Amino acid sequence: DAGVIQSPRHEVTEMGQEVTLRCKPISGHDYLFWYRQTMMRGLELLIYFNNNVPIDDSGMPEDRFSAKMPNASFSTLKIQPSEPRDSAVYFCASSPGHGLLQETQYFGPGTRLLVL
Amino acid sequence: DAKTTQPNSMESNEEEPVHLPCNHSTISGTDYIHWYRQLPSQGPEYVIHGLTSNVNNRMASLAIAEDRKSSTLILHRATLRDAAVYYCIRGSSTGGTSYGKLTFGQGTILTVHP
Repeated sequence: DAGVIQSPRHEVTEMGQEVTLRCKPISGHDYLFWYRQTMMRGLELLIYFNNNVPIDDSGMPEDRFSAKMPNASFSTLKIQPSEPRDSAVYFCASSPGHGLLQETQYFGPGTRLLVL
Repeated sequence: DAKTTQPNSMESNEEEPVHLPCNHSTISGTDYIHWYRQLPSQGPEYVIHGLTSNVNNRMASLAIAEDRKSSTLILHRATLRDAAVYYCIRGSSTGGTSYGKLTFGQGTILTVHP
């Protein structure tokens, strides 16, 4: 299994531009999570999905952020318009939701976003 | 609110055991204790988890206090590759909107000296 796949790995953009981050979870996992990590705030949960349905988006900072999961194998996190304070590492994670390790989360390598 | 308390940093020598403590005094009866670690420039990775009994796996051991208000992650022989940030997290298994959510605190930065 390839694990959780994220793209792009690095993104540099200018303020005001739209940014789309992509994630492919581990096949068969029912849960998908989006996190953001900064030095100041640490690792924060933004939103998570269960069976493609958003369950809790209370961590999404503002309306500029949106996330979708059109099918079980793909999710996007979009920032429009982007701002310098959005610069961070964004992680996607998935978990089985069943079995002995049902809540264990498997993280992708992250996308390093820099907004100039 | 991570609801767990860990030391900011710890140091160890290579080949020696490491005991990483965690306090979770307000834990409920159904909350699991999860440990993750994050190596430099990587995403967090699962280490171990448990509910009441001590747990062992190929990476580490987890010792949970009888009153469940604290736990200790044990690395039996530290290597340089174990240098990472270690997170102790309470995970709810009660379903609803809290199911599956892990709230990461600041963790413990483990430095391993050769």
